[in-house]
Amino acid sequence: QEQLQESGPGLVKPSETLSLTCTVSGSSISNGYYWGWIRQPPGKGLEWIATIYYSGNTYPNPSLNSRLSISIDTSKNQFSLTLSSVTAADSALYYCARAPNWAGEDAFDIWGQGTMVTVSS
Amino acid sequence: QAGLTQPPSVSKGLRQTATLTCTGNSNNVANQGAAWLQQHQGHPPKLLSYRNNNRPSGISERFSASRSGNTASLTITGLLPEDEADYYCSAWDSSLSTWVFGGGTKLTVL
Repeated sequence: QEQLQESGPGLVKPSETLSLTCTVSGSSISNGYYWGWIRQPPGKGLEWIATIYYSGNTYPNPSLNSRLSISIDTSKNQFSLTLSSVTAADSALYYCARAPNWAGEDAFDIWGQGTMVTVSS
Repeated sequence: QAGLTQPPSVSKGLRQTATLTCTGNSNNVANQGAAWLQQHQGHPPKLLSYRNNNRPSGISERFSASRSGNTASLTITGLLPEDEADYYCSAWDSSLSTWVFGGGTKLTVL
């Protein structure tokens, strides 16, 4: 059974860069699925951040694209997210998830447990 | 950014049937299909349905989804205490080029 696990610092200072990694276990990250990041501010709904394929193709949320970088390391079975110039509005539970496709009728079908990131000085 | 519209809360009795709705537009729900996710407090979302009415392996037949025009629906029959959770719909928006989510519906089982 494929599993995803997020990791990264829980506290980031305003204006600095948030960096998170998702480790995939149970199968190869190059297995044809797409890998995404979704966040959820405390007590609020879900917001899609970006999706990446093992080939390196990226699909960012246009509203975050100017601050966003997403990468994949197939040798480590990991993919990563960096978000620059963070503010308190970026405080959220960050999930990594798997999807059969980058768009269309499919959905994120396996989710990590999530990691909480707080932006505060 | 624009998202999908869900009622904030629904309350139903034990063993009753609950129908949750999700309204979008022609750029998302109507033409791209919708998925439904269940989230219990303190846990990650869990996929219940995708491509309008396909259930992943292990999901109870008590959960069924449908779509009519711009509105997707999730019907839960024979409500159990463990069905009390937040339910989110999601869809790809071909105009925004983003995945969009509803604001979530909190289902209370009385």
